[in-house]
Amino acid sequence: NAGVTQTPKFRILKIGQSMTLQCTQDMNHNYMYWYRQDPGMGLKLIYYSVGAGITDKGEVPNGYNVSRSTTEDFPLRLELAAPSQTSVYFCASSYRAMNTEAFFGQGTRLTVV
Amino acid sequence: RKEVEQDPGPFNVPEGATVAFNCTYSNSASQSFFWYRQDCRKEPKLLMSVYSSGNEDGRFTAQLNRASQYISLLIRDSKLSDSATYLCVVNMDNQFYFGTGTSLTVIP
Repeated sequence: NAGVTQTPKFRILKIGQSMTLQCTQDMNHNYMYWYRQDPGMGLKLIYYSVGAGITDKGEVPNGYNVSRSTTEDFPLRLELAAPSQTSVYFCASSYRAMNTEAFFGQGTRLTVV
Repeated sequence: RKEVEQDPGPFNVPEGATVAFNCTYSNSASQSFFWYRQDCRKEPKLLMSVYSSGNEDGRFTAQLNRASQYISLLIRDSKLSDSATYLCVVNMDNQFYFGTGTSLTVIP
């Protein structure tokens, strides 16, 4: 099993550009999450999904959008990139909401200049 | 107020030492609890789940005190390979809440 796969691993964007971070999982997990991790700040939840067609905002959703058209895929869209969005982005999935671990992708390092 | 609070450290300990990390969480409705390990520039990975009765996995022991809303991790006989950041994680309402992590360096 590949687990959770994120692409790209690295990206440099110019201010105002847009991009989509891809995330796919092959574990048939219903729950998927997008986090960002800034140095010394821990992981902050951007958006999450409890199943195909259902998404909800996390702690820091501004400047981002998501969609969940299939169980496997949960892309994160950045519109009008800003320097404040420079961060490491992690996608994660879990089988159910509680009493189960979250599995993480390897992360996308994004720099906005 | 943060959902999960940890002492960020850093903890620098010699090989063979015993080290303990503590974590508190703010919401008594929290449902499940974990310790994750994160190596530099890598993704977090599950170290162990934490149960009310306490649980042990080799050199690692985790404890949960629901009344005090407190979670701990004890590492015995520290190895160089234990050097990493340890994240306290709480699950509630379909979400995982992460502490900022405690940095551990094991020194030869």
